[in-house]
Amino acid sequence: DAGVIQSPRHEVTEMGQEVTLRCKPISGHDYLFWYRQTMMRGLELLIYFNNNVPIDDSGMPEDRFSAKMPNASFSTLKIQPSEPRDSAVYFCASTPGHLYGYTFGSGTRLTVV
Amino acid sequence: QQQVKQSPQSLIVQKGGISIINCAYENTAFDYFPWYQQFPGKGPALLIAIRPDVSEKKEGRFTISFNKSAKQFSLHIMDSQPGDSATYFCAASMIGNFGNEKLTFGTGTRLTIIP
Repeated sequence: DAGVIQSPRHEVTEMGQEVTLRCKPISGHDYLFWYRQTMMRGLELLIYFNNNVPIDDSGMPEDRFSAKMPNASFSTLKIQPSEPRDSAVYFCASTPGHLYGYTFGSGTRLTVV
Repeated sequence: QQQVKQSPQSLIVQKGGISIINCAYENTAFDYFPWYQQFPGKGPALLIAIRPDVSEKKEGRFTISFNKSAKQFSLHIMDSQPGDSATYFCAASMIGNFGNEKLTFGTGTRLTIIP
């Protein structure tokens, strides 16, 4: 089991550019979560999916952020246009369900200049 | 009501000592309380978890103590080692309708074990 796989590990982009972060959850895990981590705000839940369906996107900061899960093995988080305040580490996590705990990926460190 | 309050923000403990991190919650519907450990450059990893029907759970040097009436739970690391230096997050969740199954994380405690 390779765990939750995220790509890229690091992304540096200019303000205004589109950024796409990718995640492959663990096979068989029905839930997928996108988190953002900063020093100021800690771990923030952006959105989560159950069986590929978005359940709660109340944490998505604004319309510039969007997430999709076209199938059980792939999800994307897109920021368009990106801004410097979006600089953070973005984590993807998956779980088979309540009481099992989450498995996090290694994260994508995004820097918007 | 969804908050989980964690303290202290940072903690320095001597090697061999006991590290204690505390968390408090308000929502009595929470029924699953995990702790995560995060090393620099890595994602958080599940360390140990407890449900409210027990008051203590021990795994190796790590123990969760749970006080349901006080709505508090804590992580104890016995015989703390330099390799335990990391950021620790408490969390809580509850089962229910969709929308209530997400973990709520504490703000984290940066633990440093000194020789």
